[in-house]
Amino acid sequence: SQQGEEDPQALSIQEGENATMNCSYKTSINNLQWYRQNSGRGLVHLILIRSNEREKHSGRLRVTLDTSKKSSSLLITASRAADTASYFCATDAGGGADGLTFGKGTHLIIQP
Amino acid sequence: DTAVSQTPKYLVTQMGNDKSIKCEQNLGHDTMYWYKQDSKKFLKIMFSYNNKELIINETVPNRFSPKSPDKAHLNLHINSLELGDSAVYFCASSGRLEQFFGPGTRLTVL
Repeated sequence: SQQGEEDPQALSIQEGENATMNCSYKTSINNLQWYRQNSGRGLVHLILIRSNEREKHSGRLRVTLDTSKKSSSLLITASRAADTASYFCATDAGGGADGLTFGKGTHLIIQP
Repeated sequence: DTAVSQTPKYLVTQMGNDKSIKCEQNLGHDTMYWYKQDSKKFLKIMFSYNNKELIINETVPNRFSPKSPDKAHLNLHINSLELGDSAVYFCASSGRLEQFFGPGTRLTVL
């Protein structure tokens, strides 16, 4: 069964603006990860947040995790045209060996 | 150097055929995976292998069989292909928690 649900499904913003994507999940997790997929390419890992963490930063990325609400958000600040891609949250219940459960993804378009 | 590679990139075949997709990782990772991404971009885990042992098999038809000749390779064999098998198949590997994905193989069954 599907674990993560991203919101919104699609987002179009102007270059320079901030983009926020949300993810909800249903079961207990070990960690939550965000991946980016450019059109026709494989997924690239962006950031991981463990279940005992509430916020994490990496460059222009900021991830929050609320385990009580089973939700996470990904904020991309000062967006660039190169950020145009699909973004997926993925939950890991087993610590790595069981594979990830992905959400449906948010398609982000950055208008130049 | 490519970390996770897959061949072929595109595969077009007729219903009923048997085909294989190869995957190799040069990261020294212990665990490898196969995912299927459907036309709506939904990704679902199919298999994972840890040190040549199958760990999970998520409600995948037994027409699909992973084969791992060694720790660096996890190939996917598909027998009696059906129209619904058309999708993009991704191989991935992990050493700890984050996963590294291959470029994908787009399978089209006619």
